[in-house]
Amino acid sequence: SQQGEEDPQALSIQEGENATMNCSYKTSINNLQWYRQNSGRGLVHLILIRSNEREKHSGRLRVTLDTSKKSSSLLITASRAADTASYFCATAVYGNNRLAFGKGNQVVVIP
Amino acid sequence: DTAVSQTPKYLVTQMGNDKSIKCEQNLGHDTMYWYKQDSKKFLKIMFSYNNKELIINETVPNRFSPKSPDKAHLNLHINSLELGDSAVYFCASSLTGNYGYTFGSGTRLTVV
Repeated sequence: SQQGEEDPQALSIQEGENATMNCSYKTSINNLQWYRQNSGRGLVHLILIRSNEREKHSGRLRVTLDTSKKSSSLLITASRAADTASYFCATAVYGNNRLAFGKGNQVVVIP
Repeated sequence: DTAVSQTPKYLVTQMGNDKSIKCEQNLGHDTMYWYKQDSKKFLKIMFSYNNKELIINETVPNRFSPKSPDKAHLNLHINSLELGDSAVYFCASSLTGNYGYTFGSGTRLTVV
């Protein structure tokens, strides 16, 4: 079953601006992961946040996790044209190596 | 030095045919997966193998049969292809312990 549900579905921003996307899920999780998919390519793992973590950074990426609200956000700061892609959140539950992916957010960064 | 490689990248075939997609990973991962991505980009897991053993088998028509000859390879055979099978199929691998997945670049299957 689909776990993550990103919101909004499509985002168009100017280069240099920040992009924020959200993800909600329904069950208890072990960790939540964000992936990027460029057009016509496979998914690339960006960042993993565990259920006992609240915030994590990786370069220009900042991920937050609120387990009480069952939601996560991905912030891309100082966006670049190369950040144009679809972004997916995925959840992993305890004792299960299966990742359930959300619908994905299309982000377009305009140079 | 590709981490997860799938072949072929594109596959166009007629309804009723049988086709296979191959996947290989050189990361030393112990778990491999097949995902299907539809036209709306929704990703759905189909199968997962851990050390050659089938551990996830979602509700997928039995025309789809995975095979894992060793933990570095996971192939997908599809019998009697249907129009609705058209999609992008992704292979992925990971290490047990809920680490991130590494995906292949996908196989775009078009059934005509």
